[in-house]
Amino acid sequence: KAGVTQTPRYLIKTRGQQVTLSCSPISGHRSVSWYQQTPGQGLQFLFEYFSETQRNKGNFPGRFSGRQFSNSRSEMNVSTLELGDSALYLCASSLEPGGTDTQYFGPGTRLTVL
Amino acid sequence: QKEVEQNSGPLSVPEGAIASLNCTYSDRGSQSFFWYRQYSGKSPELIMSIYSNGDKEDGRFTAQLNKASQYVSLLIRDSQPSDSATYLCAVSEGSQGNLIFGKGTKLSVKP
Repeated sequence: KAGVTQTPRYLIKTRGQQVTLSCSPISGHRSVSWYQQTPGQGLQFLFEYFSETQRNKGNFPGRFSGRQFSNSRSEMNVSTLELGDSALYLCASSLEPGGTDTQYFGPGTRLTVL
Repeated sequence: QKEVEQNSGPLSVPEGAIASLNCTYSDRGSQSFFWYRQYSGKSPELIMSIYSNGDKEDGRFTAQLNKASQYVSLLIRDSQPSDSATYLCAVSEGSQGNLIFGKGTKLSVKP
């Protein structure tokens, strides 16, 4: 079974721009969670989508948003990019929502904001 | 603020030794606990999950959970240089269920 895929793998943007990242979950998985990973803060939860609905959201500003499509693929968008948004963005998929089911991570998108 | 705490390390052990990684969490409502391994430049991969008090063994890995003490650990027996990585402890958040990750412990296994 194919794993979680994320595109693009690398992205360079400038301050003020916006960016859209894509995540395709493992076939059959309906839950997609997004995380931001930085050396200082570690892995931080952004939001989780299940059946096209945002199930819960972490403590990030409204510039970070996401959505999920009927085929469970998910996108996240960051508007008005700031230097501090430079990070590895990881998505993870699971069969069921919440933290009870094992989450499988994609390879991540490395975002650099200049 | 619900937290998951890990010693950042680095933890250095000789090849063949037992590596012991520890994690404490603040949310008494947490029900699910996971250990992930992350190699440099790669994404986290699941090593073990544990849901009830006690020990769970899988090959060279043993996870231990003590909900009363809010403590979860991972033992790696017969450590190999290929085990050198950062180990992330993840705990489900009691009310909403999303995972909270510790900042990870960097393990170095010396040949």
